[in-house]
Amino acid sequence: NFMLIQPHSVSESPGKTVTISCTRSSGSIASNYVQWYQKRPGSSPTTVIYEESQRPSGVPDRFSGSIDSSSNSASLTISGLKTEDEGDYYCQSYDSSRRWVFGGGTKLTVL
Amino acid sequence: QVQLVQSGGEVKKPGASVKVSCKTSGYTFISYGISWVRQAPGQGLEWMGWISGYDDSTNYAQKFQDRVTMTTDTSRSIGYMELRSLRSDDTAVYYCARDRDMPGNDFWGQGTLVTVSS
Repeated sequence: NFMLIQPHSVSESPGKTVTISCTRSSGSIASNYVQWYQKRPGSSPTTVIYEESQRPSGVPDRFSGSIDSSSNSASLTISGLKTEDEGDYYCQSYDSSRRWVFGGGTKLTVL
Repeated sequence: QVQLVQSGGEVKKPGASVKVSCKTSGYTFISYGISWVRQAPGQGLEWMGWISGYDDSTNYAQKFQDRVTMTTDTSRSIGYMELRSLRSDDTAVYYCARDRDMPGNDFWGQGTLVTVSS
């Protein structure tokens, strides 16, 4: 099976833009949709991006998603960073049997 | 509104089993499946499997294939996840999550802490 590889942590200042990558170890990143979840301590995960670039209702358009076939990776970009955006972000995709695969998570610090 | 309310925390001894429930409301239960995801202390999210609300078909992560059973009670709109032969590394918060709808919304339970300790 494949892995989704994320940076362990990223940090950026309020108001700036940050991008979190998610690289698929084998197989094409485009072969199955990628989702992004935000996870804050003590709270349940919430989806910020689904199907690579779609935002659920209620998620601000500061959050955007994309894939890059040349690097075989997906990216989550958060613009106009706010302190409330701090938390862990996980990418997730599917294997050929529709089983979920999560990335290891990226800790976002807004300082 | 859609709600998923999970059962309370559990403390179990190694080798025991645990059954976590996920009581749903606010939608037609048979129209969506339920996934189960866990997070061990200091670790990432881990998908355990999925069950259809329509026909009870399941799709389990290979890691849990031999130890997990997911079921539903459609009359009460409840999903269940049972994990057997518990080990200390099964200590985690377990979440249920309803399948995403067309506008892209998914819904999660509040989480259930299962502690495995002798």
